[in-house]
Amino acid sequence: SQQGEEDPQALSIQEGENATMNCSYKTSINNLQWYRQNSGRGLVHLILIRSNEREKHSGRLRVTLDTSKKSSSLLITASRAADTASYFCATGGSNYKLTFGKGTLLTVNP
Amino acid sequence: ETGVTQSPTHLIKTRGQQVTLRCSSQSGHNTVSWYQQALGQGPQFIFQYYREEENGRGNFPPRFSGLQFPNYSSELNVNALELDDSALYLCASSLGGRNGLSPLHFGNGTRLTVT
Repeated sequence: SQQGEEDPQALSIQEGENATMNCSYKTSINNLQWYRQNSGRGLVHLILIRSNEREKHSGRLRVTLDTSKKSSSLLITASRAADTASYFCATGGSNYKLTFGKGTLLTVNP
Repeated sequence: ETGVTQSPTHLIKTRGQQVTLRCSSQSGHNTVSWYQQALGQGPQFIFQYYREEENGRGNFPPRFSGLQFPNYSSELNVNALELDDSALYLCASSLGGRNGLSPLHFGNGTRLTVT
């Protein structure tokens, strides 16, 4: 079963615009992570936010976490064609595994 | 620092056969997790190995089994293959194992097709 649900399922924007993806989850977590996957390849870790954090930045990425609403968002600013990929949120609980959502397919048009 | 490598990259098997997929962890990582990713879906957790012992298992039948070796490399074995086993199998290594706080470092996966 998949805990996280990303929204939207697909997003198409122009280069230079900002892209926002959302993730909702159902059970309590101790961290939430975002990953990127280029077509047919492995996932690349982007950012980890702990449950006691509300916002985190890494370069052009900004992640927010609202544990009361069980939701997170990933903002990519000044997008580039190379940002075209699928983006997944993954929730980590008090145990060993990460549970991934179905992903958002981001297309950045040059 | 070497990354996570998986072999083979592609594999075609017939229903009922058995398959072994291999994974070399990123150097220094003691934990390996395996995920199955069907087309258009997110990765589904199969199991995790920490210091050569199974550390947890997802909702997969016993015909999915694994091993972790002293050098922290790992194998995923699937017996009695079914058509629904067709997927991308991803191996991920991390440091620290049990608490799910470490980022996962993924290989590029093995694309398994069962006919």
